[in-house]
Parts: sequence; C-alpha cells; structure tokens
Amino acid sequence: SAVISQKPSRDICQRGTSLTIQCQVDSQVTMMFWYRQQPGQSLTLIATANQGSEATYESGFVIDKFPISRPNLTFSTLTVSNMSPEDSSIYLCSVEVVDYGYTFGSGTRLTVV
Amino acid sequence: GENVEQHPSTLSVQEGDSAVIKCTYSDSASNYFPWYKQELGKRPQLIIDIRSNVGEKKDQRIAVTLNKTAKHFSLHITETQPEDSAVYFCASNSGGYQKVTFGTGTKLQVIP
Repeated sequence: SAVISQKPSRDICQRGTSLTIQCQVDSQVTMMFWYRQQPGQSLTLIATANQGSEATYESGFVIDKFPISRPNLTFSTLTVSNMSPEDSSIYLCSVEVVDYGYTFGSGTRLTVV
Repeated sequence: GENVEQHPSTLSVQEGDSAVIKCTYSDSASNYFPWYKQELGKRPQLIIDIRSNVGEKKDQRIAVTLNKTAKHFSLHITETQPEDSAVYFCASNSGGYQKVTFGTGTKLQVIP
C-alpha cells in the first residue's frame, strides 16, 4: 500500500491562530481525503482534495475554516484557521490505493488552548 | 448522505471466543465495505474489506459477510487473542463514490 507521511504529529496552539498540516504520499493518487477524529469518536470526513480543482467539503465544514491545497498528485495540506478549543482533535489524511483500499497518515493531534 | 450504524459500541469476550460486530448502511448504491482496526494512539489500519459482488470473505481468523438485500454487513473474529483488543470501525463508500463513511466504532476487549 501507499506510504503517507503526515506532519506535524502533534501541536499545541493558541486560540485564534492557524495550523497547516501536510501529507506527502509516496505515489501519485487522484484523490486525497481529510478526516477529523474527535476524542473517543469515529472519523468524520472534512473534504476531498483533487489535484487541479477546489476541494469538495462535507456538510458542516467550510473552506474559510479548513482551506485545503493540492498542488500535485502526491501532496496536500489542510489548514485549521482561527482555531478554538473545539478544534482540538486528531486530523488524518487518507488516500485510496488501487486493489488495496484506503490507507491513512499517522495523524496530527491538535490541542487548542 | 450515507448513514452507517454499528453495534455494539463495546464488546468484551474471553480469549478464544468469537466476536461479531454488525453494521448497517443506508445507500443501496454503496458497493465497498472496509473494516478498520484502531489501536490506542494509532492510525486506523485496514484489516479486511468486501465488495458487493461477493457475500463473504475470509482472511485467517477474520471474516466479513455482506447482505446487500438487507443492507448490513458483519465482522467475525474467531479464536480471539488479547492483541485483538482495539476499536473496530466499519465503513462504506457512500453511494459508490470514492469517499468513505465510517460507523461509530466498537471497542473490543479480549479478556485473557
């Protein structure tokens, strides 16, 4: 399966600031997915990032809060903007690998204070 | 959108016993159903998946069954071991599209 490098692995941020999370894949993929996993909860899809077009956001998530970049077929970033304590969560990127399924990055544990 | 329900939320079994986790989905167009295992502090790992053209798939102690008519699928773990203890998530590909919707998770505890 694909190897995804995600960073940072964790961060503690002040409210009102922004954090950019990066995911690098070792192979070219058409779509990259960004998920949020709140403590003790399931994974919720934030958006789907396609190369060369705007990301597609799920209900409840907006571009101003979670801007996404997808400059090429191996890289994507998710920014969590104007953070509040409610944004404290684990953020994961994911890709689909042909004939394998979906694989995840190691996650970014974000704490907003 | 797709709704995936998962039961039970917690499950305790004795080592060596079997564990069964059940999920239902809402969108009849969904055709891919993966199962993930997530250990504490780690990323979800794909353990088995099934596509809608088959009814059952097995990989050693793990099996998944799919009933498309009833829109439910199940994970079966036999001869459970303490290292099977984790949170398990079912998922479906939301109406046949590439994005995946996850169930609420089952915390499995295998008691030695």
